[in-house]
Amino acid sequence: GEDVEQSLFLSVREGDSSVINCTYTDSSSTYLYWYKQEPGAGLQLLTYIFSNMDMKQDQRLTVLLNKKDKHLSLRIADTQTGDSAIYFCAVGYNDMRFGAGTRLTVKP
Amino acid sequence: NAGVTQTPKFQVLKTGQSMTLQCAQDMNHNSMYWYRQDPGMGLRLIYYSASEGTTDKGEVPNGYNVSRLNKREFSLRLESAAPSQTSVYFCASSFGTGRNEQFFGPGTRLTVL
Repeated sequence: GEDVEQSLFLSVREGDSSVINCTYTDSSSTYLYWYKQEPGAGLQLLTYIFSNMDMKQDQRLTVLLNKKDKHLSLRIADTQTGDSAIYFCAVGYNDMRFGAGTRLTVKP
Repeated sequence: NAGVTQTPKFQVLKTGQSMTLQCAQDMNHNSMYWYRQDPGMGLRLIYYSASEGTTDKGEVPNGYNVSRLNKREFSLRLESAAPSQTSVYFCASSFGTGRNEQFFGPGTRLTVL
């Protein structure tokens, strides 16, 4: 089965960049995803990257994929207090595997 | 559009009791999923239904059963609840094609005493 690992906590100052990292074991997934969970809510897709891409940029979000090292990262530029949430890396398709989630805290 | 709805929002059971968690989606999605979320473990897939009439086991299916009642509804049943099943349960749905974005319901918080 797929193993997906992420660090559990990240704290940054407002205006700084945040980088959340993820490693995975199975390289057969066509898409790799980042989901965001706000308190008391379900997950919401934040962004995704196709497996034949190295980078994807979407406004303040940059996703980097290193297929050789099976490493995925999410960079949030100019982090705001509203970005405080739990961020999940996910790999797979119907049988999706999620990381444990990284709790991002943004301090004013 | 309500999206993905789940009932109930909260439930407390005693060990050995049974219950069914309900999920419905109004987005005409083909695929539906049940996950459980536990602290420090992220989401783990219990069962999924890639299309109406099919169901498949996920990572942690033991102690659960599912029914894909129709295209809109996918229920999760605990026949004999155990304290280890205390968790937050999320239902999700997707088209099952392309980037396969999953849309999540608000969750059911279940406590088994």
